[in-house]
Amino acid sequence: GAVVSQHPSRVICKSGTSVKIECRSLDFQATTMFWYRQFPKQSLMLMATSNEGSKATYEQGVEKDKFLINHASLTLSTLTVTSAHPEDSSFYICSAGQGVTEAFFGQGTRLTVV
Amino acid sequence: GQNIDQPTEMTATEGAIVQINCTYQTSGFNGLFWYQQHAGEAPTFLSYNVLDGLEEKGRFSSFLSRSKGYSYLLLKELQMKDSASYLCAVRDSNYQLIWGAGTKLIIKP
Repeated sequence: GAVVSQHPSRVICKSGTSVKIECRSLDFQATTMFWYRQFPKQSLMLMATSNEGSKATYEQGVEKDKFLINHASLTLSTLTVTSAHPEDSSFYICSAGQGVTEAFFGQGTRLTVV
Repeated sequence: GQNIDQPTEMTATEGAIVQINCTYQTSGFNGLFWYQQHAGEAPTFLSYNVLDGLEEKGRFSSFLSRSKGYSYLLLKELQMKDSASYLCAVRDSNYQLIWGAGTKLIIKP
């Protein structure tokens, strides 16, 4: 199946700094990628839909100035958590699909803000 | 509102069969997905149903009834490595994925 690579898998950063997470589709072109956040023992929460060459579509309640999304090419989308705070600590997951089936996830990034 | 319901937790014995149910009420329907998620890892795609009926893939099968808003994931010949959370997700009329909270499956020897 299609491969989606997410990097880094784990990151620890100091409060107030910014962290960039990359999501790459390795063997297909993804015009749309999705960014999720998952709290412990909870389901996935869609944060935003990343569209190649245009602005991301954010879900209600997600701060677009805090969670910057860039989708500069058909194989790469990035999520930057700006001015991170401890409450931003979470598991962030990207996904990309082929055609109408959004079915493949990156490995996820465990962010810890200290 | 939109809603996906699945049991919070289930327990089964190694070698046995288990069925995880999922019921949904969504604005429109454009397919139902099942994912497996081990603790601390991202979800892994298991199956996709868009038409009524049973889709079989090795030890895993997924069933869909659109008229009943119902699906199940059937796992046969359970192995210890099948211990994980199983997430049901429905794509609505806006092509948004609506996620269930997941079913934690515990396999006992």
